Parts: sequence; structure tokens; C-alpha cells
Amino acid sequence: DADVTQTPRNRITKTGKRIMLECSQTKGHDRMYWYRQDPGLGLRLIYYSFDVKDINKGEISDGYSVSRQAQAKFSLSLESAIPNQTALYFCATSAGRGTGDEKLFFGSGTQLSVL
Amino acid sequence: SQQGEEDPQALSIQEGENATMNCSYKTSINNLQWYRQNSGRGLVHLILIRSNEREKHSGRLRVTLDTSKKSSSLLITASRAADTASYFCATGGGSNYKLTFGKGTLLTVNP
Repeated sequence: DADVTQTPRNRITKTGKRIMLECSQTKGHDRMYWYRQDPGLGLRLIYYSFDVKDINKGEISDGYSVSRQAQAKFSLSLESAIPNQTALYFCATSAGRGTGDEKLFFGSGTQLSVL
Repeated sequence: SQQGEEDPQALSIQEGENATMNCSYKTSINNLQWYRQNSGRGLVHLILIRSNEREKHSGRLRVTLDTSKKSSSLLITASRAADTASYFCATGGGSNYKLTFGKGTLLTVNP
């Protein structure tokens, strides 16, 4: 079983719809992240959470919200989806030991298309 | 905005050749990491080099870091068709530690 699981793998939705992407992890990591990937733009950070009570905005948080339901679960919501939110979304985790040399573990991604 | 910028954007080589990718960044860092992404899939961590290190090896991978030039290079020796993927550098630093990724280099290794 994957250590970082994202659901769904693919989603097609319409403009204006609310949609939630879910991420769960079995790695026991404190830190969780949501990134989006667009062709030619690399990965951009949307939100990140260093523990259940700590939520932080990334560089492109507008139009998104998150919920850290438990250490193992971090969901991303689009309250009213728009076409330019069409992208590949990744959840990632890291151990959060504060040593400054953390590596990220990624899920397989959710391909979201907003029509 | 992205911290790291990879160069070249795309690289095509023959199997057995070496592949070199470069990454430049703008601000001070604690470490620099390289990740690999097979088409459309999640990124996989390859190697991490700390700011006080100059070179690091892992199997066929060799990473260098020049903090004075704010640049890093990833060398893959004796490339294989299975090395075909996108490669990203990511920089981390500061007390509010998080990684910032570049746009990636698409490496194609032809059999």
C-alpha cells in the first residue's frame, strides 16, 4: 500500500462546483503539503501544515482552503472551481524533525479538470 | 515565485552517455534536493546536499553545490532508458522550513 494516498486519482468537474481532494498518510509524519503542477511551471505550494493545529498559506492559496482533520489526513477544497484550477495536484509529507534536511514523500497525484 | 531554476529545460541523449542538469537559486539555503518525476506521477526524492557540502554521490548520481554561485548540478552517469523522466531541484531554508521547486528538466534517454 502507498504511504501517501490521494483520492480521487482523476476528477472532472464544472465551473462553480465545490470539490474536495483528500490525502492520507501512514508514514507518521507531522508535516503535510499541497502542491499544484502546471505544464512548464513546475510545482507551486498551495498550503502546508506542520501539525494538526498549524495551517499556513503557500504561494498560491487564493481560491483554495484546507483542513487537517488528523495527523494523517489533510484535505484540499476548491469552494467554487474555475477552469484555471485545472492542474495536477500533489500531496506530500515530511518528518518535521526540525533538522533542516527534510525530504518530501509524494502521493501519486490527482488530475483535476474544471470545465 | 520559484526559487530554483533548472537548465536546460529539456535534454535528449543516447543510452550510456552522461546527463548533466543545472539548478540556480536566488537566496540562501539550508539544503538543496533533487527529485525525479516519471510522466504524470508523484515526485521521488533522489539526493540531498547540505549548504556546507560541496559534492555528494549516490550510485550513478553525483550532485555538486556551489553556494558562492548559488548553483547546483546533477550528473547521471551511464544513463539508461529508464532514467527518462523530469528532474527537479528544490531548495529549503529558513526557520519556517518548506521546499520550493524549480520548473524541471525533461531528460529523454534514447535506447
